[in-house]
Amino acid sequence: AQTVTQSQPEMSVQEAETVTLSCTYDTSESDYYLFWYKQPPSRQMILVIRQEAYKQQNATENRFSVNFQKAAKSFSLKISDSQLGDAAMYFCASIQGGSEKLVFGKGTKLTVNP
Amino acid sequence: NAGVTQTPKFRILKIGQSMTLQCTQDMNHNYMYWYRQDPGMGLKLIYYSVGAGITDKGEVPNGYNVSRSTTEDFPLRLELAAPSQTSVYFCASSFRTELYGYTFGSGTRLTVV
Repeated sequence: AQTVTQSQPEMSVQEAETVTLSCTYDTSESDYYLFWYKQPPSRQMILVIRQEAYKQQNATENRFSVNFQKAAKSFSLKISDSQLGDAAMYFCASIQGGSEKLVFGKGTKLTVNP
Repeated sequence: NAGVTQTPKFRILKIGQSMTLQCTQDMNHNYMYWYRQDPGMGLKLIYYSVGAGITDKGEVPNGYNVSRSTTEDFPLRLELAAPSQTSVYFCASSFRTELYGYTFGSGTRLTVV
């Protein structure tokens, strides 16, 4: 069974600085995909970034990028030039190829200080 | 495009009452899901459906029931509400989850007192 672990319940960053949120996962499959979701205080779940396991290149979406270390089963999210609007819960999730069910970590609450 | 619509947004139930959380999507997605979110626990899958007429249990199905009579609708039924069911409930749908992830509804905050 897949598991996703986020070891940092809370993190904080100064506005304009860079922060990295950690995520590790465990799967016996070689075909899988990884996601980061953002949940602001509005409660809406927003897809931030996605990574295919077979791609060595790290995914990037504007100020958001990932550090995908396949051998270590690590999938951290880096937020550059942090903005107040980045304050939210961030969830890491994984899915095995052929499945349609995401497995989520417990989340990291990010605070951005002005 | 409405996406995934959940109703109600908030509800308070008394112990032993029943209710149905409604979920509708207009994207013609085959796959639909119900998750519950508890503080510090992430999202746990309650039930899911791979198409009309087909449902299956997730990780935490006890105390809940679902039906999927149409592609659009996936209601979640709580029978005999208990305080342990106090949570935020999310409905989601997907087309190809590995490519696009889920589209989520805005959630229902349920309190059982």
